[in-house]
Amino acid sequence: KNEVEQSPQNLTAQEGEFITINCSYSVGISALHWLQQHPGGGIVSLFMLSSGKKKHGRLIATINIQEKHSSLHITASHPRDSAVYICAVGQGAQKLVFGQGTRLTINP
Amino acid sequence: DAGVIQSPRHEVTEMGQEVTLRCKPISGHDYLFWYRQTMMRGLELLIYFNNNVPIDDSGMPEDRFSAKMPNASFSTLKIQPSEPRDSAVYFCASSSTASSSYTFGSGTRLTVV
Repeated sequence: KNEVEQSPQNLTAQEGEFITINCSYSVGISALHWLQQHPGGGIVSLFMLSSGKKKHGRLIATINIQEKHSSLHITASHPRDSAVYICAVGQGAQKLVFGQGTRLTINP
Repeated sequence: DAGVIQSPRHEVTEMGQEVTLRCKPISGHDYLFWYRQTMMRGLELLIYFNNNVPIDDSGMPEDRFSAKMPNASFSTLKIQPSEPRDSAVYFCASSSTASSSYTFGSGTRLTVV
């Protein structure tokens, strides 16, 4: 069993829909990261969380430390949100362990 | 800040050749990480440094891989000799304990033929 599990692996939605991507982890962490990677592109850090909730524009990330679970929400989704979203947990001195990613496609 | 800078962006080489990937971290960041991304295995940590000192190299696949960080502004990942199974995207990242920021470079796409 992977230390970091994401669901779903693939998600297709229509423009404007509310999107939720989930991440569960089985190890102790110092922080949880949500990353975005466009096809053929680099990796962009969206959020780093150790508790509670963070919001940036249309993106919201939450974490429940007791349940070892985090969610990434996208409101009013847009085709430009199409990308792979990766959950990663930081252990100890900030090295990251990654989930397998969720491939999101938003159709116009 | 220009971010984490990696070079080259793309590298195509023949099996058996030496390959050197380069990384310039963000100034002031005290951690530097080398990650590898493949379709089969996703993102994996190869090695990381703290204040230029290697801390954990357990992810380095085998002795053909080596990494150095001679100073706070430069690191290399070397593969010698390269093999087709080394084909992947190699990412360098740096982070700061003080600011809790984490930044990835644009990656080097390595193809070994």
